[in-house]
Amino acid sequence: DSGVTQTPKHLITATGQRVTLRCSPRSGDLSVYWYQQSLDQGLQFLIQYYNGEERAKGNILERFSAQQFPDLHSELNLSSLELGDSALYFCASSATQGETQYFGPGTRLLVL
Amino acid sequence: AQSVAQPEDQVNVAEGNPLTVKCTYSVSGNPYLFWYVQYPNRGLQFLLKYITGDNLVKGSYGFEAEFNKSQTSFHLKKPSALVSDSALYFCAVRPVELNNAGNMLTFGGGTRLMVKP
Repeated sequence: DSGVTQTPKHLITATGQRVTLRCSPRSGDLSVYWYQQSLDQGLQFLIQYYNGEERAKGNILERFSAQQFPDLHSELNLSSLELGDSALYFCASSATQGETQYFGPGTRLLVL
Repeated sequence: AQSVAQPEDQVNVAEGNPLTVKCTYSVSGNPYLFWYVQYPNRGLQFLLKYITGDNLVKGSYGFEAEFNKSQTSFHLKKPSALVSDSALYFCAVRPVELNNAGNMLTFGGGTRLMVKP
């Protein structure tokens, strides 16, 4: 157990809908990262927050957004969902920006 | 831009035999290198990392990895494979110097390790 928690574990929704994925980092970790794992794209970095501020953006669609709250948990919002958004979404956290990232168990999203 | 290549989609090895999972990387400047393992329906588990110093890095579950700067490689190894080592293995890289890309990890495509009894 990495200490990173993600909810929900599974999510089934329809095209056009909006969902929110939640992540709680390891105790004391300030940095949160979101990654998407899909069969065709592999593991791709989406976005990073550090102590509440956006630090880096990767291949994140404009339909997706995220934030990190004062208690350091983070939420990833996915809107106008398409079939191709079906994937495993991972959250990771690290103590500081340079430290090892520890991953949560992921949220499996299925868009029908 | 940084990149990672894992040239083998799958590696098959008999239990008790040594195993190697290959990884080569490309990054501007010096690299931090990582290996993660993913078991079915589980998240990624950190195995080991290279930051600096000794080129041979020891990690969890008896795994080790050898950093070779001239060949830009970071191959994962284990002297004696177990059936329970069967999983998906990912190599990842990020530059030592933080830049506009923050601390993002770039992952390889993954290598499925199958250890047969």
